[in-house]
Amino acid sequence: NAGVMQNPRHLVRRRGQEARLRCSPMKGHSHVYWYRQLPEEGLKFMVYLQKENIIDESGMPKERFSAEFPKEGPSILRIQQVVRGDSAAYFCASSSGTGTLNTEAFFGQGTRLTVV
Amino acid sequence: GQQLNQSPQSMFIQEGEDVSMNCTSSSIFNTWLWYKQEPGEGPVLLIALYKAGELTSNGRLTAQFGITRKDSFLNISASIPSDVGIYFCSGAGSYQLTFGKGTKLSVIP
Repeated sequence: NAGVMQNPRHLVRRRGQEARLRCSPMKGHSHVYWYRQLPEEGLKFMVYLQKENIIDESGMPKERFSAEFPKEGPSILRIQQVVRGDSAAYFCASSSGTGTLNTEAFFGQGTRLTVV
Repeated sequence: GQQLNQSPQSMFIQEGEDVSMNCTSSSIFNTWLWYKQEPGEGPVLLIALYKAGELTSNGRLTAQFGITRKDSFLNISASIPSDVGIYFCSGAGSYQLTFGKGTKLSVIP
């Protein structure tokens, strides 16, 4: 899973600021998934993107959260006007989109967001 | 929504002992996955199960996909200190993974 690169690894934001989390998928992968993990919890699905398209954002809060995966560059998860409840670890996974999508998904090391 | 119940929540075992943990679901899944997560890291896939009743091994790890497609177990034989971590079961749809809350494993040397 070292191939999926997320940055920053740690991010501290004050309430009301914006957080931008980046994910570069593994080489050759065009499918990206974002998950959120609260302390002592499992990962929760947020959004699934392919290049320039959002396929499923059913797990993402309707307000303040957005995600994109442009033609060039990393996928971005953007959280506007952060609140303390947004503090969590955010994981990105990527897959090639061929074969069994889910079992070919590799996770990054995550970005740990702390809102103070 | 879909929920996975994973047990036990935590385990303390002596090095060399065997470990068993399981996962049950209120929904049917077509694929079950077991992941291990170490502190500060992302989940790493250990075993994937694709068919009901399937029993699959990966070194000292063995996992089975329940016949009802609503449960799975993971066994670790002859535990070693590096087995420490949190083990997550996950039920998979076509692309979305549903995770349990994890079993935290501690191995006493």
